[in-house]
Amino acid sequence: AQSVTQLDSQVPVFEEAPVELRCNYSSSVSVYLFWYVQYPNQGLQLLLKYLSGSTLVESINGFEAEFNKSQTSFHLRKPSVHISDTAEYFCAVSKRTGFQKLVFGTGTRLLVSP
Amino acid sequence: NAGVTQTPKFQVLKTGQSMTLQCAQDMNHNSMYWYRQDPGMGLRLIYYSASEGTTDKGEVPNGYNVSRLNKREFSLRLESAAPSQTSVYFCASSDARQGPYEQYFGPGTRLTVT
Repeated sequence: AQSVTQLDSQVPVFEEAPVELRCNYSSSVSVYLFWYVQYPNQGLQLLLKYLSGSTLVESINGFEAEFNKSQTSFHLRKPSVHISDTAEYFCAVSKRTGFQKLVFGTGTRLLVSP
Repeated sequence: NAGVTQTPKFQVLKTGQSMTLQCAQDMNHNSMYWYRQDPGMGLRLIYYSASEGTTDKGEVPNGYNVSRLNKREFSLRLESAAPSQTSVYFCASSDARQGPYEQYFGPGTRLTVT
C-alpha cells in the first residue's frame, strides 16, 4: 500500500518570500507523484506531476517539485509567492501498475500575507 | 464543457435520513470517484468506478452505496445518515488515455448531519 505524509498542516509566509511544502511518501512499488491545489471553496486541480524522466518538474505558475527517490520525497517549492497562491496543497501518489488510484496526504494550507 | 458537476452544493440532513449526491461529467472519462474531505485528514476515497458497469470500494465505504448510472453519471447514496458523515464530498473523473492519472474534480457538496 502507499501512504503520503505532509508534516506541515499550515505554512504562513509573506508575499515575495520563498516557500517549500514538504511531502514524503511510502510505497513498496514504483509510484507516480502529484501535487494538487485547492483554492477556497473549490475542488482540487492538478498543479504538477512526476511520471518519469527528469526529477525536477515545473508548473505553469512558477511552482516546482523534485522527486528524490532515496529520500522518498517530492517537496514543492516556489521562489517567490503571491497572495493568489493562498490555498491548500495536497501531495498524492499512485502506483504505476493496475488501476491507479490516488492516495492523498492530509494537505498543507499555504497562507500568504502582504 | 462544464467538466464535473455535483448537486446539491449544500445539504443539511437529520440523523437517519437518506439522500443521494449526484455527479456528472461531460469529458467522456471512463473512471469516476467519490471522496470525502475532513479537516486534517485530506481526501479519502469512498468508492470508485474504473469503467462503466463496475464499482469498487475505496478506503472508507461503510455507510455509503454508489451507482454508475451510465458513462457520465456516478451517484453516491447515504441510506441512513449519521453525524460522522458530516463532510465535504467530492466527485472526480479521469481517463487513462489522457496520461496517468490526472483526476478532474467537481466543486463539492457540503453535507451536515445533525
